[in-house]
Amino acid sequence: QSVLTQPPSASGTPGQRVTISCSGSSSNIGRNTVNWYQHLPGTAPKLLIYGNDQRPPGVPDRFSGSKSGTAASLAISGLQSEDEAEYYCATWDDSPNVFHVFGTGTKVTV
Amino acid sequence: QITLKESGPTLVKPTQTLTLTCSFSGFSLNASGVGVAWIRQPPGKALEWLALLYWNGDKEYSPSLKSRLTITKDTSKNQVVLTMTNTDPVDTATYYCAHSITVFGVISWFDPWGQGTLVTVSS
Repeated sequence: QSVLTQPPSASGTPGQRVTISCSGSSSNIGRNTVNWYQHLPGTAPKLLIYGNDQRPPGVPDRFSGSKSGTAASLAISGLQSEDEAEYYCATWDDSPNVFHVFGTGTKVTV
Repeated sequence: QITLKESGPTLVKPTQTLTLTCSFSGFSLNASGVGVAWIRQPPGKALEWLALLYWNGDKEYSPSLKSRLTITKDTSKNQVVLTMTNTDPVDTATYYCAHSITVFGVISWFDPWGQGTLVTVSS
């Protein structure tokens, strides 16, 4: 069971804004940066956001990330049909040993 | 352009050892800050991180699987190998490898990922 909790699902109509939350603790999100990945079935997961709020080249500015305390969030504005996918937050956990962890995943339906 | 591709058996019997190979190009595993990670996704479930091998030879493992996993590299072949012992049907999953970057020693991410390989553990 993941230590990062996400809502199982989120939905919106084209053009709307959708926000996905990622809840962690002081040993993971509280002290490490958060990344977000988009995963479409049958394809390789894709990096959407790194370092809490940085977009890699090629990722539309409709995607934005933020972090506050032990929680992070991903916002998708101007929702498009191709945004229908599973989204995962991810970070490192330092307690008691260092390990990487993914969130429980959120299915976004457009 | 960085590419990674996973290879290995599609079917293994319970208790057998699973060996997966990640063949990569476009980067050097000797470069500072670079690593290769293994991640899996059981059918219908979330992504699960397994292991990470750093450019300097350091390794990290999922605490829950640490006793069963070994990650190694063959720099001359541009390959990273993940070995999982004593497999069980619950290990059935799509296994991915990914290029990892760590900057300032504290910020890291996985990008890009390989296409994944489906491994079924069944008798």
